[in-house]
Amino acid sequence: QVQLQESGPGLVKPSETLSLTCNVSGYSISTSYFWGWIRQPPGKGLEWIGSIYHSGSTFYNSSLRSRVTISVDRSKNQFSLKMTSVTAADTAVYYCARDAVKFGIDATTPNWGQGTLVTVSS
Amino acid sequence: EVLMTQSPATLSVALGERATLSCRASESISTKLAWYQQKPGQAPRLLIYGASTRATGIPARFSGSGSGTEFTLTISSLQSEDFAVYYCQQYNYWPPITFGQGTRLEIK
Repeated sequence: QVQLQESGPGLVKPSETLSLTCNVSGYSISTSYFWGWIRQPPGKGLEWIGSIYHSGSTFYNSSLRSRVTISVDRSKNQFSLKMTSVTAADTAVYYCARDAVKFGIDATTPNWGQGTLVTVSS
Repeated sequence: EVLMTQSPATLSVALGERATLSCRASESISTKLAWYQQKPGQAPRLLIYGASTRATGIPARFSGSGSGTEFTLTISSLQSEDFAVYYCQQYNYWPPITFGQGTRLEIK
């Protein structure tokens, strides 16, 4: 069973960089699929941030592209999110997931990670 | 960017009754449409993909239909555990993958 687990600081200061990692178990991300990040501000809806293939190919939401970098560490079976120059508007629960980019969704699609709340505050 | 619009924003339905949730895409997305259920404090759970295929372990009372720009999620006989927020997601055009704003299903 594929499982995803986010980790990283729960509090980030304004103007600093948010860094999160998603650990994937039960599947080698080097095999296939895009792996992505989605966020949800408190009490609001879902926003797709971007995703990465094991080769390093990435897609980003244009609204966040200038501040976001997604990278992959195949040796650790992990992928990561970095978001620079954060503000209070970036306060959200951040989820990692096997993304639907290119390969879509099928019967093997795992559940998302449980999510991690990141608060931007001084 | 494909805009996904869900209606209604809030739906009040009694236990045992049928609930019908709608999702409209701003352009045709074929059947590249998924539905998620989210309960407070939990991650969204995949219910339906390909517009009409139930995900693993999803009860048969959940069904999806539609293609192109109009989609429907139907819950045939509401159980107490079904009251939650439901999101649709299109994955035909990317980036970005886009979500609807959600429908809150509450007990009448």
